[in-house]
Amino acid sequence: AQRVTQPEKLLSVFKGAPVELKCNYSYSGSPELFWYVQYSRQRLQLLLRHISRESIKGFTADLNKGETSFHLKKPFAQEEDSAMYYCALIRQAGTALIFGKGTTLSVSS
Amino acid sequence: DAMVIQNPRYQVTQFGKPVTLSCSQTLNHNVMYWYQQKSSQAPKLLFHYYDKDFNNEADTPDNFQSRRPNTSFCFLDIRSPGLGDAAMYLCATSRDRDLGETQYFGPGTRLLVL
Repeated sequence: AQRVTQPEKLLSVFKGAPVELKCNYSYSGSPELFWYVQYSRQRLQLLLRHISRESIKGFTADLNKGETSFHLKKPFAQEEDSAMYYCALIRQAGTALIFGKGTTLSVSS
Repeated sequence: DAMVIQNPRYQVTQFGKPVTLSCSQTLNHNVMYWYQQKSSQAPKLLFHYYDKDFNNEADTPDNFQSRRPNTSFCFLDIRSPGLGDAAMYLCATSRDRDLGETQYFGPGTRLLVL
């Protein structure tokens, strides 16, 4: 079965510290992977997707097929990065996004 | 300039009383989705419309139905809400169903069942 695991419910870091939000997936094929973010009192929105290989707001994510991981990283956390982050995969065109349970990132000064 | 709008933001209903949640979009997207998100859980897809074509997820209870009268609107009908149906309901849209397609989410409707 397809599954996305985010092992940390909460990650607390200080401003300027590196951040790594972990995501592991279970899927035998070649999924497409995403990170969605939800800031306080705002809607869920796309942060970045593997297919674009982009860096958004200083965040990057690399797909490691050997480890079936898609960890989200940022070298220097900012307070405005505090939010709920969801890792998600879509296994094939025309099907559902499968979300992990999410990790709350809290960045304090 | 909200792109995906959900009304109401909060809905209280009684056990067994039918309730309808609505979603509208200004993006002219082909695909509209309904997700259910229970407390501390991941959003879970209930069904989606690709244009007028309805696609139900295999494990979506029969209690949940949907209508899409036109491109802009999509409704979620819960025929007989139970206490276990209390959740946040998220509507999302995408231009198409291609891999890598971005889904745009509405703010959600939080349903409380008394």
